[in-house]
Amino acid sequence: EDQVTQSPEALRLQEGESSSLNCSYTVSGLRGLFWYRQDPGKGPEFLFTLYSAGEEKEKERLKATLTKKESFLHITAPKPEDSATYLCAVQARNYGQNFVFGPGTRLSVLP
Amino acid sequence: NAGVTQTPKFQVLKTGQSMTLQCAQDMNHNSMYWYRQDPGMGLRLIYYSASEGTTDKGEVPNGYNVSRLNKREFSLRLESAAPSQTSVYFCASRGQNTDTQYFGPGTRLTVL
Repeated sequence: EDQVTQSPEALRLQEGESSSLNCSYTVSGLRGLFWYRQDPGKGPEFLFTLYSAGEEKEKERLKATLTKKESFLHITAPKPEDSATYLCAVQARNYGQNFVFGPGTRLSVLP
Repeated sequence: NAGVTQTPKFQVLKTGQSMTLQCAQDMNHNSMYWYRQDPGMGLRLIYYSASEGTTDKGEVPNGYNVSRLNKREFSLRLESAAPSQTSVYFCASRGQNTDTQYFGPGTRLTVL
């Protein structure tokens, strides 16, 4: 059974304090791994797609990396506006339309 | 360009009542999805439609029905609402040549 877990469940950082969020997955044949950001009361907003181990993507203060078993979302010098829930999802090759989401990491960045 | 829109934003039902959640996208996407999101759990797929005229069950389809009315619209129906269906419902769409899903703002449903 395809599974996605995320850690930590919640994370509080001071502004400027860099850290990483973890997404661990078990899937039979990864087609893609996705990171989304979700603000309270809103729908998830797409951040990155990673397709193969070793791949990296960057956007402003965020950098996503992928290994064969997990992905990391690195946040460098975060700002209060980075506060949100970050969701990870995987898509398996043999379930083309089925995306399995993790429960998310709730990030708070304090000024 | 509104992206993915959902109506209503909030709804309160009594057990046994029925209702339809509406979703529309203006990005000419082929695939559309309905998810539910519950506290402490990831988004769970209820139904999806790979193209106009087709629908398939996801992980948690029991108690729901869907209609792909046309390429733009994908509705989710609760025939006899139960308290276990209290959740936030998200619609999403995806283009043919991309794996990226675009989500609507959600419908917060409470079943008493």
